[in-house]
Amino acid sequence: GESVGLHLPTLSVQEGDNSIINCAYSNSASDYFIWHKQESGKGPQFIIDIRSNMDKRQGQRVTVLLNKTVKHLSLQIAATQPGDSAVYFCADPAGGTSYGKLTFGQGTILTVHP
Amino acid sequence: GAVVSQHPSWVICKSGTSVKIECRSLDFQATTMFWYRQFPKQSLMLMATSNEGSKATYEQGVEKDKFLINHASLTLSTLTVTSAHPEDSSFYICSARRIAGGPDTQYFGPGTRLTVL
Repeated sequence: GESVGLHLPTLSVQEGDNSIINCAYSNSASDYFIWHKQESGKGPQFIIDIRSNMDKRQGQRVTVLLNKTVKHLSLQIAATQPGDSAVYFCADPAGGTSYGKLTFGQGTILTVHP
Repeated sequence: GAVVSQHPSWVICKSGTSVKIECRSLDFQATTMFWYRQFPKQSLMLMATSNEGSKATYEQGVEKDKFLINHASLTLSTLTVTSAHPEDSSFYICSARRIAGGPDTQYFGPGTRLTVL
């Protein structure tokens, strides 16, 4: 869902730990989701995507899980590194395509301590 | 490839003045560009969809006369904040849809930080 006016939640982890970032969505018709990473003062970067016909998708050190029953996504980062410190957003593209206009979720500020 | 630039990267202006922000796709053509706004420690909100050669489509609650969008070429969209006020201070981010020469997806610019005094 939208996050107008809401400040971002935070997650602090130690370097080497695994991180889990959560995202809830409200539109049960949504069938495609994208996770973005936004470093301080920069634009978002694509991390990984998942379609609703999948429950899980893995990338390099990242895994996205999708639970359609409770309309929940999670992004898992393995062996978190200081360079992973950023804000992470899930996004729901219009039309189920990666080029559709994006509705961003609330976002989570991840801080990784050495 | 697939680089999107924004200019300026930051701008400070006086209240009541107008500011133009450029979004360029450097190595691909973009028939569609999106403009987002992000307040500190908040999420991105879509302002408008910009289509080359036609009028922009604005999201509900976004004043089209205040935020003028021009997409005059396949590589350039501009956002002009007219009569800027301190509440317009924000981080403005564009994205561009790439339709040829690679995956049909969108790429984000680095953002423009606007501060209105």
